[in-house]
Amino acid sequence: NAGVTQTPKFQVLKTGQSMTLQCAQDMNHEYMSWYRQDPGMGLRLIHYSVGAGITDQGEVPNGYNVSRSTTEDFPLRLLSAAPSQTSVYFCASSLVQAGDTQYFGPGTRLTVL
Amino acid sequence: QKEVEQDPGPLSVPEGAIVSLNCTYSNSAFQYFMWYRQYSRKGPELLMYTYSSGNKEDGRFTAQVDKSSKYISLFIRDSQPSDSATYLCAMKGTSGTYKYIFGTGTRLKVLA
Repeated sequence: NAGVTQTPKFQVLKTGQSMTLQCAQDMNHEYMSWYRQDPGMGLRLIHYSVGAGITDQGEVPNGYNVSRSTTEDFPLRLLSAAPSQTSVYFCASSLVQAGDTQYFGPGTRLTVL
Repeated sequence: QKEVEQDPGPLSVPEGAIVSLNCTYSNSAFQYFMWYRQYSRKGPELLMYTYSSGNKEDGRFTAQVDKSSKYISLFIRDSQPSDSATYLCAMKGTSGTYKYIFGTGTRLKVLA
């Protein structure tokens, strides 16, 4: 199993540009989520999904869109990038049973100029 | 006030020391408590998971939860330089909730 994969590893955008961060898992996990990690702020939940066709907002959803058309994929879209979205983005997945382990991807380092 | 508070460190200890890492929280609905380890430029990996109050031991690691004080701890015995990483606490509520709340992380450095 590849686990949770994320692409790209690094990305530089200009303000106003759009892009999609890709996340895929091959563990047949129902639950998938996106976090951003900033110095002094820890990991903050952006959006999550408990299955194909079901998404919900986390703590910091503004400026980000998600969709879940398959169990395996959970892309994160930035429609109009802002410097405040400069961060490291992590995707995670798990089964939906209570307390199940979240497996994290390697992260995408995004800089918005 | 943040829902989960964690001292950011850095914490430097000599090899072989016992390390104590802590988090406090304000939401009494939290039932599931986790500790993650994150090496530099890597994703977090789960170290320990505890449901409700009590202790859990796994090798050199012990997790403690005191729900009455809203306080959780991770102890590392016989610390090694390979334990140098950032340690994140995380917690969530009942089985019907899916929002994990993370602490800011404590950076640990174990000196050889």
